Amino acid sequence: QVTLKESGPVLVKPTETLTLTCAVSGLSLSHADMGVSWIRQPPGRALEWLAHIFANGETSYNTSLNRRLYISKDTSTSQVFLTLPNMDPVDTATYYCARMMGRLAPFDVWGQGAMVTVSS
Amino acid sequence: DIGMTQSPESLAVSLGERATITCKSVQSVFFTSNKKNYLAWYQKKPGLPPKLLISWASTRESGVPDRFSGSGSATDFTLTIDSLQAEDVAVYYCLQYFSSPFNFGPGTKVQIK
Repeated sequence: QVTLKESGPVLVKPTETLTLTCAVSGLSLSHADMGVSWIRQPPGRALEWLAHIFANGETSYNTSLNRRLYISKDTSTSQVFLTLPNMDPVDTATYYCARMMGRLAPFDVWGQGAMVTVSS
Repeated sequence: DIGMTQSPESLAVSLGERATITCKSVQSVFFTSNKKNYLAWYQKKPGLPPKLLISWASTRESGVPDRFSGSGSATDFTLTIDSLQAEDVAVYYCLQYFSSPFNFGPGTKVQIK
């Protein structure tokens, strides 16, 4: 059974950098079809796809946030990371990581989410 | 980017009645070589992660009640909930995974009338 679990700070100050970790278990990140995305949902608002890392290490980013996002992975520790610098209160959200099994496929396994609040 | 729209923003349906949600993409998400539509539907309840209901526009996931069905092709898609149950109250999102960057629709809130 594949599981994903997000972790990171609950509270960050404006202008700080957010780094989130997605721990993957049950399937190696080295698997040829294993891709992982980060998705967020601000309170009361819609789901917003942020970034994806494909099995081969290729990355893709939300066009609007492109310059602020960085996704990476460490296959040896089965972790995927998201870095978002210069945090702002509008970045307050629940952040999810989700699996995409295949080059292009639906997100079929999700983490429980990590709530991040941006406040001074 | 393949932008997505959904309608309505919200709807209220009586228990046992049908709920219909539409999703449109600005360009086709139909891949001619394998004849698949790269469109999924998710159910989102407060405090829980999104749940995949329908993939490939019309394939119901294992364990999803058969009152949920998806249809459509290319740029126009529909999620239908037949005989709405109380536990179906949620926000429903479509997702295009035809190409990255991937995009969700803005969501449709389904409530009980």
